[in-house]
Amino acid sequence: EVQLLESGGGLVQPGGSLRLACAASGFTFSSNAMSWVRQAPGKGLEWVSTINNSGRNTYYADSVKGRFTITRDNSKNTLHLQVNSLRAEDTAIYYCVKVHYYDSSGSRGHFDLWGRGTLVTVSS
Amino acid sequence: QLVLTQSPSASASLGASVKFTCTLSSGHSIYAIAWHQQQPEKGPRYLLKVTSDGGHSKGDGIPDRFSGSSSGAERYLFISNLQSEDEADYYCQTWDTGSWVFGGGTKLTVL
Repeated sequence: EVQLLESGGGLVQPGGSLRLACAASGFTFSSNAMSWVRQAPGKGLEWVSTINNSGRNTYYADSVKGRFTITRDNSKNTLHLQVNSLRAEDTAIYYCVKVHYYDSSGSRGHFDLWGRGTLVTVSS
Repeated sequence: QLVLTQSPSASASLGASVKFTCTLSSGHSIYAIAWHQQQPEKGPRYLLKVTSDGGHSKGDGIPDRFSGSSSGAERYLFISNLQSEDEADYYCQTWDTGSWVFGGGTKLTVL
């Protein structure tokens, strides 16, 4: 079955850190760029970060640049998002998303597979 | 700046058809977009991609009731024979080199 399964969310204090993970199955993980997209409570979708298939190229939204780091382990079919210096406005469900292949840069393409998400709550 | 504009809400009756519109910002009328559906309390699901020439390609398992087209800077999602499970939020999404953008979403109520 083709699926993405996130984990690692939880309650964290402002300024704290978490490491989110996404386990991929059912497709050739190493062929596709991967992304994280988040959704604050009652709000719309917001792109957070993307990494190309090799892991060499990474892209970040301005709102998280310098605080979040996306990585991948193709040998384990796993995507990670290290989230540091968390703020209340980072509270959201974080979705792992597969990017439809466009080219090896991973800088373009639509999202064609979503995980179920993991909730991150930043609160004291 | 690349921006996608959607109406916040729409409604239609069971069995009827509905059209959603996603408008690309000035200077971006040739961009392709994708449509995603988010049912209540669920994660989003990819529906289909719509290109500037109106072509569309659907995700796996998406029923024939869903289709897309294009006109100028507008990209459309059509749903025919509305079912109760179609009540959801619908988001359009596009990309520029190294960044991705979502529209604000349209909430569909099935009457």
